[in-house]
Amino acid sequence: QKEVEQNSGPLSVPEGAIASLNCTYSDRGSQSFFWYRQYSGKSPELIMSIYSNGDKEDGRFTAQLNKASQYVSLLIRDSQPSDSATYLCAVNIAGYALNFGKGTSLLVTP
Amino acid sequence: NAGVTQTPKFQVLKTGQSMTLQCAQDMNHNSMYWYRQDPGMGLRLIYYSASEGTTDKGEVPNGYNVSRLNKREFSLRLESAAPSQTSVYFCASSEAAASQETQYFGPGTRLLVL
Repeated sequence: QKEVEQNSGPLSVPEGAIASLNCTYSDRGSQSFFWYRQYSGKSPELIMSIYSNGDKEDGRFTAQLNKASQYVSLLIRDSQPSDSATYLCAVNIAGYALNFGKGTSLLVTP
Repeated sequence: NAGVTQTPKFQVLKTGQSMTLQCAQDMNHNSMYWYRQDPGMGLRLIYYSASEGTTDKGEVPNGYNVSRLNKREFSLRLESAAPSQTSVYFCASSEAAASQETQYFGPGTRLLVL
């Protein structure tokens, strides 16, 4: 089984701070990496995707990928209470297969 | 444009009963997927359909069957439900079954098997 590991949390950050979410994966053949956000009782929704080493920024969100270290992270700047959710890391090995981590619970406190 | 829709939203079954979960997408996507999500287990792929007319097993296919009815619709059938199948079921679709394609999820079906 190809593993995708995330700290389950909860990760608690104050409003306005930077939240850092981390994910490691075991398969060096992994090609694409996705961050989904899931509010309680709702379905996952895509936040970011990243395919190449380095950083990718979209608004308050930055995804970072380091294939040599098999590590992908998501930074949320100026965290808001509405960012409180579970963040799922998903790794695509080839074709259809998305392997999901178990998710990190983020709590942003006012 | 509704995206991915699923019915029913919630269902209670008794052990041994059968049911079909329905999924439809209006994004003209070629590929569709069924996942289950359990506490502490994350999302796991049950079956997928890379294109109309094809279906393949995912990580946890036992106890399930699927039908790709047409390009829009992909159903999941439980022939004889078991308590271990209590879960939240998500349908997803993507333009293609390729590594850089984003999968878009439906709202989910919450299934309780007694």
